[in-house]
Amino acid sequence: AQTVTQSQPEMSVQEAETVTLSCTYDTSESDYYLFWYKQPPSRQMILVIRQEAYKQQNATENRFSVNFQKAAKSFSLKISDSQLGDAAMYFCASTNTGNQFYFGTGTSLTVIP
Amino acid sequence: NAGVTQTPKFQVLKTGQSMTLQCAQDMNHNSMYWYRQDPGMGLRLIYYSASEGTTDKGEVPNGYNVSRLNKREFSLRLESAAPSQTSVYFCASTKNLLRNQPQHFGDGTRLSIL
Repeated sequence: AQTVTQSQPEMSVQEAETVTLSCTYDTSESDYYLFWYKQPPSRQMILVIRQEAYKQQNATENRFSVNFQKAAKSFSLKISDSQLGDAAMYFCASTNTGNQFYFGTGTSLTVIP
Repeated sequence: NAGVTQTPKFQVLKTGQSMTLQCAQDMNHNSMYWYRQDPGMGLRLIYYSASEGTTDKGEVPNGYNVSRLNKREFSLRLESAAPSQTSVYFCASTKNLLRNQPQHFGDGTRLSIL
């Protein structure tokens, strides 16, 4: 089984500032996919961004971008110009060839006005 | 377009009672999943169904059974509920077996076992 580790249980950021959430993973496969999901207090899981392991270019979605370091098996999420609506639990996830998804334990992000 | 619908949203059971959590998706997705979410543990896969007619165990299947009733519906059953099964349960679906397809989640079911 794959493992996904999020070493920051809680993070905080000042509104309009930038914050980076860390994620590391462990897999023996060469082809896999990585995701960041956001879970606000409403509990709905929302896809933030995804990265294909075979692509060297880091994925970007508006204010959200990733720093994908394949050799280090690191997949961090950078949120720029943080907004109050970004406050949520963020989960890093990876997939394997068995069509299963593996999730980290999450990072709770607080945005300070 | 409702996406993934879970029922009920909340439920309280007594130890030993049985219960079925329902999940339906209207996106014509082939693969469906059941997760549980516990504090400090993230989401853990209970069972999944890669396609209609197939089901497979995930990371924590003990104490649960599933049924892929048709392409739209995937139910999770607790035959004899235990306090350790108190959790928030999420159903999810993906379009097909291509691994770059993200999962779409329901709103979750908060289940308490007394």
